[in-house]
Amino acid sequence: DAGVTQSPTHLIKTRGQQVTLRCSPKSGHDTVSWYQQALGQGPQFIFQYYEEEERQRGNFPDRFSGHQFPNYSSELNVNALLLGDSALYLCASSLTGDSPYNEQFFGPGTRLTVL
Amino acid sequence: AQSVTQLGSHVSVSEGALVLLRCNYSSSVPPYLFWYVQYPNQGLQLLLKYTTGATLVKGINGFEAEFKKSETSFHLTKPSAHMSDAAEYFCAVSDREDDKIIFGKGTRLHILP
Repeated sequence: DAGVTQSPTHLIKTRGQQVTLRCSPKSGHDTVSWYQQALGQGPQFIFQYYEEEERQRGNFPDRFSGHQFPNYSSELNVNALLLGDSALYLCASSLTGDSPYNEQFFGPGTRLTVL
Repeated sequence: AQSVTQLGSHVSVSEGALVLLRCNYSSSVPPYLFWYVQYPNQGLQLLLKYTTGATLVKGINGFEAEFKKSETSFHLTKPSAHMSDAAEYFCAVSDREDDKIIFGKGTRLHILP
């Protein structure tokens, strides 16, 4: 089991550009959540996708959008990049089921640097 | 709204000494509580979690935490620190109504030889 995988590992962009980050969930998982971790801070919830739809969203502007594919993989898109978007972007996968608690497994992250 | 406060952004302990990382939470409903560890340039690894049942939770690598509802605390402990424990530790809370995880700002643990 490969666990949660993310690509690319590192990315450098300039202000105003657009970026797409990718995530493949752990085998058997159907739900993907994205988090932003700025330097020296804890991760912040961006949004969660389930059944190819955004199920929950944190306090992030519309420049942040996502997509989930039929195979449960997901993309995070950020438009009009700002310097403040520089961060480690973490993807987490889980299985939405009957249990009240659905453990999230985190990937290694994508380090985005905006110049 | 849920929130997590971790006391001390940096904690230093000697190898072999007790590790105590403090966490207080705010939640309007009984929460799920977590401790995650993050090694440099890596993602998050779950150390332990409290969801229901026994309030003393044992995790990996010899860590444990106790859920104290009256004190709204979930402090992380380990009896004897090892050099390999040096990392960033995050306390987190989740509402039982959804899967969104709210993280604290983290505590960097330094182990002194």
